[in-house]
Amino acid sequence: EAQVTQNPRYLITVTGKKLTVTCSQNMNHEYMSWYRQDPGLGLRQIYYSMNVEVTDKGDVPEGYKVSRKEKRNFPLILESPSPNQTSLYFCASSARQGANYGYTFGSGTRLTVV
Amino acid sequence: AQSVTQLGSHVSVSEGALVLLRCNYSSSVPPYLFWYVQYPNQGLQLLLKYTTGATLVKGINGFEAEFKKSETSFHLTKPSAHMSDAAEYFCAATSGTYKYIFGTGTRLKVLA
Repeated sequence: EAQVTQNPRYLITVTGKKLTVTCSQNMNHEYMSWYRQDPGLGLRQIYYSMNVEVTDKGDVPEGYKVSRKEKRNFPLILESPSPNQTSLYFCASSARQGANYGYTFGSGTRLTVV
Repeated sequence: AQSVTQLGSHVSVSEGALVLLRCNYSSSVPPYLFWYVQYPNQGLQLLLKYTTGATLVKGINGFEAEFKKSETSFHLTKPSAHMSDAAEYFCAATSGTYKYIFGTGTRLKVLA
């Protein structure tokens, strides 16, 4: 089954404790992206990657890091999480840049930073 | 700059009634437009998309949307609401780059 898999689904952590949210897709998609979803704000892009070893900042990159060492994986790293990073996070992938191709989304990771 | 506006953060309709969810965009170039649906505790699922060609686009689950350039709109409709349509709906736009802009979402409630 074609899918984007995120782990974990739920995570509670403490301020300052480094964490990684994993994202993997099995569709050989070139393009991957991370979004956060907050009430009343919709989805905001954190980082995106056009292909292996090619990443760039989205609208809200502060406090996050990403890497794309393999085509299928695109982990999101929070080096020192803070409470304002409490949110619902989605990874998404697409076959080509923008245009005709919609995203395939993962099921989300609900992160709480206390 | 591109932006997407969804009018009404919450919409309630009776079962069997028309569903109309509004989306307006602003863009300096012709956009590609999408509607996504999000069910509770799930990721977003593509409902339909407009790229080029026919301005009336049909999607899954009986939904359709019409691209109206003169009104810069891409409203989502369904003739008859079903209880299973209760979800949050997001409109999104891209001008053909990696940059997608999402609206803030409309939560649809279907009343029995």
